[in-house]
Formats: sequence, structure tokens, C-alpha cells
Amino acid sequence: DAGVIQSPRHEVTEMGQEVTLRCKPISGHDYLFWYRQTMMRGLELLIYFNNNVPIDDSGMPEDRFSAKMPNASFSTLKIQPSEPRDSAVYFCASSLATGPAGELFFGEGSRLTVL
Amino acid sequence: KNEVEQSPQNLTAQEGEFITINCSYSVGISALHWLQQHPGGGIVSLFMLSSGKKKHGRLIATINIQEKHSSLHITASHPRDSAVYICAVSYNYQLIWGAGTKLIIKP
Repeated sequence: DAGVIQSPRHEVTEMGQEVTLRCKPISGHDYLFWYRQTMMRGLELLIYFNNNVPIDDSGMPEDRFSAKMPNASFSTLKIQPSEPRDSAVYFCASSLATGPAGELFFGEGSRLTVL
Repeated sequence: KNEVEQSPQNLTAQEGEFITINCSYSVGISALHWLQQHPGGGIVSLFMLSSGKKKHGRLIATINIQEKHSSLHITASHPRDSAVYICAVSYNYQLIWGAGTKLIIKP
């Protein structure tokens, strides 16, 4: 398997623009996680899905952020409108299960810069 | 107080040295993860353990559930081991992350 695939790897946009980040989890994994990493706050869980259903979105910072998982092989994280403070690296991860069996596999991240 | 504490925050050592990074946690966990993040950003899962000890190459991870403590050891360290090492614990189907330990191995 190719691992967790994220796109784009880098995005530079202007404040107010819509940003869409994409993730393809490892085939057969039924958990998908979106994380945000900044120097100030480290790694933060934004939202996670189980079998395409959002389970916990308490980490989503504001209504400007939304995430969807229309099928088992694709998820999006959308920011609309984007703000400079959204600049961060966004990671997607997948696992077979949370808990003791839940080894996480990360994508390479999408580095977002909002000017 | 953070629920997951790592120490040290920063560690610089010479090539060949034995490295220990510590992780203490305050909640009851179902598993503990050690992850590695290289400059440039990619995150790789090194170990997931719920008891005892695991070894992979020059890396060894141990956990003491009673003491709520885990250690990551690197034997015969090499400059390519330079990275941030992150401890995270699985708790109530959430992952709680430590702040990471930045390791630099000098040739």
C-alpha cells in the first residue's frame, strides 16, 4: 500500500480564500484523523472519523473549518474563509482501530501558509 | 499540568552515545505511542505498546504501567536519528500528545 496520501503538500493562499486539503487513508483502515501542527500548540486533533462517520469534532477550532468523508477512501478538510492564524501543517492519519490495536499511520502533511 | 510530560525537551549528543527519552503520563491508558518527526515534517510511528518492551533495530521502547512511565532508547546513535520524538497516549479513544523531544546527534 502507498500509505496515507495527502494533497497538496504545500499551499500558499491569501486571507479570505477557501482552502481544501485532501486525504486518502490506507485501504482497509476504518479510522481517519485530521491533526494540525503549529510551533505554539504542537499537534492538535481536529476531528476523527470511524467508518466515514465523524465521531469527535470538538477540536475543530471554528465554524470556518469543516471536514467530510464521503467514502472510505477519501476525506477533505476545508477552511473557508482562511485566516493567517490558520497557517500550519495539517496531517491526516489512519488506523485500523483506536485503542491498543490502533497504530497510527500518518500522511506527509499539507503545509498551509495564509498571507 | 499536562497529562503527558516528556523529558528532556531538547537533547544534543555525540554520535555513538546511548540516548534515553522519557515520557510520564497521569491518566489510565490503553496504549502508548512513540513517533518520530524529521525536519521537513513527516511523522512516522515507531512503537505502540501497552506493556513490557519492544525493540526495532537500534530503538527500544519500554513501558511501566504501574509507574505510568515509558522510555525510548536509541543505541549507537547516529546523526540520521536527529528528529523530534513524540510520545502520545491512547486514553478514552483519544490520543493525548506530549510536547516532543528534539534530538540532535552530532557527528
